[in-house]
Amino acid sequence: GESVGLHLPTLSVQEGDNSIINCAYSNSASDYFIWYKQESGKGPQFIIDIRSNMDKRQGQRVTVLLNKTVKHLSLQIAATQPGDSAVYFCAETPYNQGGKLIFGQGTELSVKP
Amino acid sequence: DTGVSQDPRHKITKRGQNVTFRCDPISEHNRLYWYRQTLGQGPEFLTYFQNEAQLEKSRLLSDRFSAERPKGSFSTLEIQRTEQGDSAMYLCASSPGTSGKHDNEQFFGPGTRLTVL
Repeated sequence: GESVGLHLPTLSVQEGDNSIINCAYSNSASDYFIWYKQESGKGPQFIIDIRSNMDKRQGQRVTVLLNKTVKHLSLQIAATQPGDSAVYFCAETPYNQGGKLIFGQGTELSVKP
Repeated sequence: DTGVSQDPRHKITKRGQNVTFRCDPISEHNRLYWYRQTLGQGPEFLTYFQNEAQLEKSRLLSDRFSAERPKGSFSTLEIQRTEQGDSAMYLCASSPGTSGKHDNEQFFGPGTRLTVL
């Protein structure tokens, strides 16, 4: 079925280390992928996106990698900070479905000072 | 604050009561989405509007749920005869919805947390 899932439900890293959060998706028709950050009691916050015609995109301290061959998405956070502690969701948008997002379960990132 | 706003932020109701939530999207955003999120899960799509037209409804949206966007600006989500299983965070998001580089980028509101006793 159509689903987006995450390999690890929790991830704990030391402040200053790099973090990698992984995601697997199953809908090969999806053409747009987004990573969201959600802090407790708040709505998801856009981090970075990537279209299916790209395999890498960089932002400020974040990089998203897309491997369409194995339907895998990852989010890399450089020099992780305590403020990065949150739940991270990947989401996909199937082509021509009005932009609705299909979210995975989420990975909780905990940054130790 | 020019982001997406939702009201109320919290709602506690008794089973069987009706509740209505409001979402104010970012000004001039054509698309408006409703999602539901339960604890530990990612948001699940419920429905979306292109201007005032409701273009898709998820099978999750039973006949007790109804959403409107009468003037293509704010939207309301009503749940009739609430059940305990309706307890969740209800999230609203908006996007420009026009052709362009970021037309799919959705901006989320803070959500309305519903508790049905």
